Amino acid sequence: SYDLTQPPSVSMSPGQTARITCSGDALSKQFAYWYQQKPGQAPVVVIYKDSERPSGIPERFSGSSSGTTVTLTISGVQAEDEADYYCQSPDSSDSWVFGGGTKLTVL
Amino acid sequence: QVQLVQSGAEVKKPGASVKISCKASGYNLADYTLHWVRQAPGQSLEWMGWINAGNGHTKFSQKFQDRVTITRDTFARTAYMELSSLRSEDTAVYFCARGRPISEDYYDSRGFTEWGQGTLVTVSS
Repeated sequence: SYDLTQPPSVSMSPGQTARITCSGDALSKQFAYWYQQKPGQAPVVVIYKDSERPSGIPERFSGSSSGTTVTLTISGVQAEDEADYYCQSPDSSDSWVFGGGTKLTVL
Repeated sequence: QVQLVQSGAEVKKPGASVKISCKASGYNLADYTLHWVRQAPGQSLEWMGWINAGNGHTKFSQKFQDRVTITRDTFARTAYMELSSLRSEDTAVYFCARGRPISEDYYDSRGFTEWGQGTLVTVSS
């Protein structure tokens, strides 16, 4: 297996741009996925295949990839975006790994 | 709409086993993979394994492969995850989640697109 590393926390004021990174060797070869999880709820996928946005996810959520690091960007953070965010990636044998999670606080 | 409904909370003693169900509606269970993910209190998500609900093939995280069994009953539209030799560290919320269509390669996955509501398993003597 392999590790995906995220910062434990990010704090932003409303309207600012939040960037959450996820690093791991496998990310240079595999797609990344991002999930938003609010307290007491199941996760929701907000970005798939590095940069694709599922229907129903606001346009302010975007994803990018460079080498072994992927980034989730939330442009114009809103209070409702306060949540835990997890990156995820498969390996070539179709096993999956989650990052440690990043708590986004909207001040 | 697609829904995954899990069985209720469980309290188990150390050494026991727990079996959780995940009933699918709004789609054909057999057409997709079905994953199990757990989350200990205050901790990150942890992938446990998946089942190809069409042919029953399974794949597990190395951490759990000696203790976990994932099965499905396509007629009942239900998948099951059984975890044995429980210890206190297995106290967590367990989620099922729909993966990719079985006709697609993992590389085409859109991630875990629908999730069950979670089942709290408490392991305590």
